[in-house]
This record gives sequence, structure tokens and C-alpha cells, in this order.
Amino acid sequence: GENVEQHPSTLSVQEGDSAVIKCTYSDSASNYFPWYKQELGKGPQLIIDIRSNVGEKKDQRIAVTLNKTAKHFSLHITETQPEDSAVYFCAANRNSGYSTLTFGKGTMLLVSP
Amino acid sequence: NAGVTQTPKFQVLKTGQSMTLQCAQDMNHEYMSWYRQDPGMGLRLIHYSVGAGITDQGEVPNGYNVSRSTTEDFPLRLLSAAPSQTSVYFCASSYTADHNQPQHFGDGTRLSIL
Repeated sequence: GENVEQHPSTLSVQEGDSAVIKCTYSDSASNYFPWYKQELGKGPQLIIDIRSNVGEKKDQRIAVTLNKTAKHFSLHITETQPEDSAVYFCAANRNSGYSTLTFGKGTMLLVSP
Repeated sequence: NAGVTQTPKFQVLKTGQSMTLQCAQDMNHEYMSWYRQDPGMGLRLIHYSVGAGITDQGEVPNGYNVSRSTTEDFPLRLLSAAPSQTSVYFCASSYTADHNQPQHFGDGTRLSIL
């Protein structure tokens, strides 16, 4: 089955800096890669996703890049703000015919003012 | 628009007790799923459903049962609770069961088994 590795497990940055979280996946048939943000006491919220037919996608301060050859994808947050502090999860779909996702173990991002 | 609603938010059980975690969505989504979240483990799929009357096992199904009698509801049953089932449980839904559909999560049920 699919295996998703996520690094780093914790990331501390100063407000205004950029943050990068990286994930690798094992199943070359995976073709959908969402990123979720989870705030304390809440469920994961989708913040951006990318499909295998594109290499990069941006949404304001957030961007995701995908390298299908190397089987890795990354989340980039620019001009970080304290409210970006949360746990971020990457995921990849399984090529099982149905919409099942395999998640990375998460990255705790702390943005200090 | 309520989205995905989970009840209860918190629950404490004794070993051997049974209970049902409720999940309801008002978005007319075909696909619903249950995950458990444990420290350092990410989210692991327990069971999922691609439509009313259809369920299947995920990565960690042992000790849990599900049913899907309506499109809106997807309850998760613990038949005989064990301390290893102490976790945060999330329900999620997506519009269809196809690949590459965004999943919408509820805010979770925090379950402790003593």
C-alpha cells in the first residue's frame, strides 16, 4: 500500500520567514496530494491540493510543488504569520479505486512574533 | 451550512463498554470515512463508505463496526471498548468516491477508555 513520509516533525520560524514542509510517497500511481491544516481542538481543514497533471499550484501565501519522478511534494508558506501556527498534514490518495487517503504523521509549525 | 457534525465531542468509557460515535453531513456527499488520530501517528483510516448500504474496511478496522443506512449518517460503533481505542476520532466526507476528491472533516470525538 501507499506510504507517506513527512518532514520535519516540528518547525519553528520567525514571523515573516518562509516555511517548507516536505513529503515523499511510495505509490507511483498516486495522483492526488492534499495538504491539511489542523488547529488545536479542531478537525483537519484542506488548505491546498495538487493533482498529478501539474507541477505547482499557488494560493496567496501558500504553494505546493510536486515532483512525480522523485515522488515527493512540498508545502511552501511565505510571509508566515502567528495564525499559521498549527499542525500540517500531507496526504496521498491510494490507487484503490476509491477516495482513500494515506496521511503523513504531521508537522507542528510554530511561528513566533 | 453545518458540514460534517460529530457527536459527542468528548466521551469517557470503561473497558468493555460499547458506544456509538455519530457522524452526519448535510452536503449530500456520497463518500464518508472514519479516521483515528494518535500522537505521532497521523490519521489512520478505520472504515469507509462509498454510498448508502456500502461499507468497507480501512487500515485499522478491528474492534469497530459501521453501517450506512442513509446518505447523511455514518455511525461508528465500538462493540467492547479497549484502552488501545483511546484516541481522537474524525469523520470525513467527500462529494464522490472517486480519486482526487477533497475530504471535509468534522471536529472530532475525543474518546478515553479507562
